[in-house]
Amino acid sequence: AAGVIQSPRHLIKEKRETATLKCYPIPRHDTVYWYQQGPGQDPQFLISFYEKMQSDKGSIPDRFSAQQFSDYHSELNMSSLELGDSALYFCASSNQLGQPPGDTEAFFGQGTRLTVV
Amino acid sequence: KQEVTQIPAALSVPEGENLVLNCSFTDSAIYNLQWFRQDPGKGLTSLLLIQSSQREQTSGRLNASLDKSSGRSTLYIAASQPGDSATYLCARMGKIKAAGNKLTFGGGTRVLVKP
Repeated sequence: AAGVIQSPRHLIKEKRETATLKCYPIPRHDTVYWYQQGPGQDPQFLISFYEKMQSDKGSIPDRFSAQQFSDYHSELNMSSLELGDSALYFCASSNQLGQPPGDTEAFFGQGTRLTVV
Repeated sequence: KQEVTQIPAALSVPEGENLVLNCSFTDSAIYNLQWFRQDPGKGLTSLLLIQSSQREQTSGRLNASLDKSSGRSTLYIAASQPGDSATYLCARMGKIKAAGNKLTFGGGTRVLVKP
């Protein structure tokens, strides 16, 4: 079965550079989430999209932006990178429309490991 | 503030022993609760999902229970094996809005099963 695809898997950037992370959700899933996981930390919610519209926003820095395109893939753009941005970035997708309440399961990609040097 | 906590943070057991992992949440208005497994540096693998209307779910050696009134979920892993060594995270999906509900994670329990 198709899973959530993230690219690249690994990325090394210098401080103040820009990075773009891509996410391809499971086909026919209508919701995409982005999470950041620092070393030894639990995943922190950044932002989500439902049917290509931003649906919720968490602790996402102003230097970061994201969007979901017509083909449902999503991109997380990160500018003016800082050392503290080094983390695993996960994308997840789920299918919420038409599901019984509570029957929404989120599936995660393998993540992009971003290292800022 | 909606919080999810997992205690203990780490657990070490001999092979064959049953594992009991605890998850508590402060807001009982949930859509569902999901349990994940994460190997070091890897992605999150969904193990079980319990809808808010359910009390438990089972998959093989795994059984997860949900008690909304007390704000608790428990993941049981029977007859643990060294391959079960990983970090286990629970996450609640909030009931705030009809779509785009996000998952809020607990801090995870790091499990080591010793041969």
